[in-house]
Amino acid sequence: QQQVKQSPQSLIVQKGGISIINCAYENTAFDYFPWYQQFPGKGPALLIAIRPDVSEKKEGRFTISFNKSAKQFSLHIMDSQPGDSATYFCAAREGTSGTYKYIFGTGTRLKVLA
Amino acid sequence: DAGITQSPRYKITETGRQVTLMCHQTWSHSYMFWYRQDLGHGLRLIYYSAAADITDKGEVPDGYVVSRSKTENFPLTLESATRSQTSVYFCATSLSYEQYFGPGTRLTVT
Repeated sequence: QQQVKQSPQSLIVQKGGISIINCAYENTAFDYFPWYQQFPGKGPALLIAIRPDVSEKKEGRFTISFNKSAKQFSLHIMDSQPGDSATYFCAAREGTSGTYKYIFGTGTRLKVLA
Repeated sequence: DAGITQSPRYKITETGRQVTLMCHQTWSHSYMFWYRQDLGHGLRLIYYSAAADITDKGEVPDGYVVSRSKTENFPLTLESATRSQTSVYFCATSLSYEQYFGPGTRLTVT
């Protein structure tokens, strides 16, 4: 059972274009939605995150759009650069009984062409 | 400040052998996590720990054992390694919302 569904699996964008990655979830108890960036041979690193009481968060060229009613959130990378080529993961934090854990999407491999 | 370290970084073992992957943090974050990363599956949670001596199963715990006697260490043991456990294993820590990942251990079971 995949609680966080991520699409597309892979994405090719021209330099300067907009990259858009989408995630959908079912569990309304999720309370935090981060995006991670991973380069080959490295561990994932937090890129940007949002809480469900906010509809949009922007940090530089990266924006999260959050639609609570549709249970969807997306990552937009503006003015995409070759250095953005990496794998991106969405995630959601689930907290029950005083503890919490994270559920990850399956990842999107982004390639930005120079 | 090393943050999170994992050892070994690469390991080749044979089917049926016991192997332990180590994870050490210098931040004293209360939460620690073990994930495995496989193509097409993303990051799947194996076990997590909210504090020393408190551990809980994640999505794919079968064949793995964890312990956490000290806040800074969270070893993951494969009791009898199988080829299906060939993967990249990541340890992570968290204090509240943000999660920090280690560099990973690439494990190959032959």
